[in-house]
Amino acid sequence: DAGITQSPRHKVTETGTPVTLRCHQTENHRYMYWYRQDPGHGLRLIHYSYGVKDTDKGEVSDGYSVSRSKTEDFLLTLESATSSQTSVYFCAISGGAGYGNTIYFGEGSWLTVV
Amino acid sequence: AQSVTQLDSQVPVFEEAPVELRCNYSSSVSVYLFWYVQYPNQGLQLLLKYLSGSTLVKGINGFEAEFNKSQTSFHLRKPSVHISDTAEYFCAVSPYNTDKLIFGTGTRLQVFP
Repeated sequence: DAGITQSPRHKVTETGTPVTLRCHQTENHRYMYWYRQDPGHGLRLIHYSYGVKDTDKGEVSDGYSVSRSKTEDFLLTLESATSSQTSVYFCAISGGAGYGNTIYFGEGSWLTVV
Repeated sequence: AQSVTQLDSQVPVFEEAPVELRCNYSSSVSVYLFWYVQYPNQGLQLLLKYLSGSTLVKGINGFEAEFNKSQTSFHLRKPSVHISDTAEYFCAVSPYNTDKLIFGTGTRLQVFP
């Protein structure tokens, strides 16, 4: 299994509060991603990173920010959580073409915004 | 832009029967193709992938998929399913040189005894 740890795994928070999800990898992979999974939508890319301090937006980035100060850590922040951000969040990593272009996923973080 | 269509949201099947999960994609550039499986309350696990070469790709747990460029399809098959194959299956594409995955909406495979 790819060495990906997500924390927290489960969180309930109130509308309007800030929330940070952490993804930690031990594979030294260049690329890291945050996806959200919702019924009927599959997985949708929120943000991704292609190196330390290099990040870019995905298809559903509104309301989210990210930071990557170290190769191994990728943080996803909800500045002011809303009920529409209740979802399961998956971190993923990839070594890119040199690693067969395969993206590996963490176990997920269940976030409920009440 | 790219998109992935999994036409069947649910596929019920009896144990030991064959199954095919359909995946079609749309892309203006060449793509790599993937199938992932998700068991309840778990992350996604790679089943198989097509990068180049033989269009018939074999993966884990007895699954295989065939890339058909003319039909822009990448259907997943298994000749005989087990109860343990009950899960959600996601097809995904990655455009060349982007290192990003675009997912379909998933197909829930339910295997009955």
